[in-house]
Amino acid sequence: QQQVKQSPQSLIVQKGGIPIINCAYENTAFDYFPWYQQFPGKGPALLIAIRPDVSEKKEGRFTISFNKSAKQFSLHIMDSQPGDSATYFCAASNQAGTALIFGKGTTLSVSS
Amino acid sequence: EPEVTQTPSHQVTQMGQEVILRCVPISNHLYFYWYRQILGQKVEFLVSFYNNEISEKSEIFDDQFSVERPDGSNFTLKIRSTKLEDSAMYFCASSEYKNTEAFFGQGTRLTVV
Repeated sequence: QQQVKQSPQSLIVQKGGIPIINCAYENTAFDYFPWYQQFPGKGPALLIAIRPDVSEKKEGRFTISFNKSAKQFSLHIMDSQPGDSATYFCAASNQAGTALIFGKGTTLSVSS
Repeated sequence: EPEVTQTPSHQVTQMGQEVILRCVPISNHLYFYWYRQILGQKVEFLVSFYNNEISEKSEIFDDQFSVERPDGSNFTLKIRSTKLEDSAMYFCASSEYKNTEAFFGQGTRLTVV
C-alpha cells in the first residue's frame, strides 16, 4: 500500500527525444507527487511536483501527467539533452504523514 | 538560493562506533528529515522532525538511531554502534510545511568498516 512502483528501470534516448517515466501507486491517501533528479554523488533535486486536483503540470521541458482514476503519474522530458542524463525518482506523500515514499528510480541516458 | 548543507561529506567509521551526521536545514523551514540511500538503490525515509520532536519514523529508524536539534540551526542524526549494513548515503532534507516541497542536501557518505 505504501509502495510507489516506477518503470522502466533504465532508459536510453537520443538527443531531442522524449523519455517518459511512469509511476503507479495504490494508496489513495497520497496527495502530493514530486519528481526528483539525482546526479551521481549528489542529493536528489526537486524537479517538479503535482497534486491530484490537476491532470498535467508543465515546468520548462518537464511535464507531469497525472491520472487519478488509474493511480498513475508520469514524467515527460521534452527535447532531452545529454545534460539530462541522470537518475529520476518519483515519490508520493499524504497529508496525514510527512514521509516521502520513493520509487526505485530510472536511470536515463541521453546520447548525443 | 538557500540550500540544505550537510557535514561531513564522507565519514569512515569502524563497526561498533558511534557517528553523528550534521545538517543545517533551510532557515525558514519547519520540517526536517533524514533519508538513507544504499548504493544503487532507492531513497528511503528514516525520520521527520517538527517542533523539536519526532513527527514520524520508519521501521528502519530503530533504537540505534536518534535525532536532535541541538541549537537553532543544526539538525543531527546519531547512529550508535554502527554496523556494516549502515553503510549508505544519508540525506538531510527540509520543507517549510509538511507534504510540500522538500529540499535535500548533498548527503554524507557513511562507510562502516
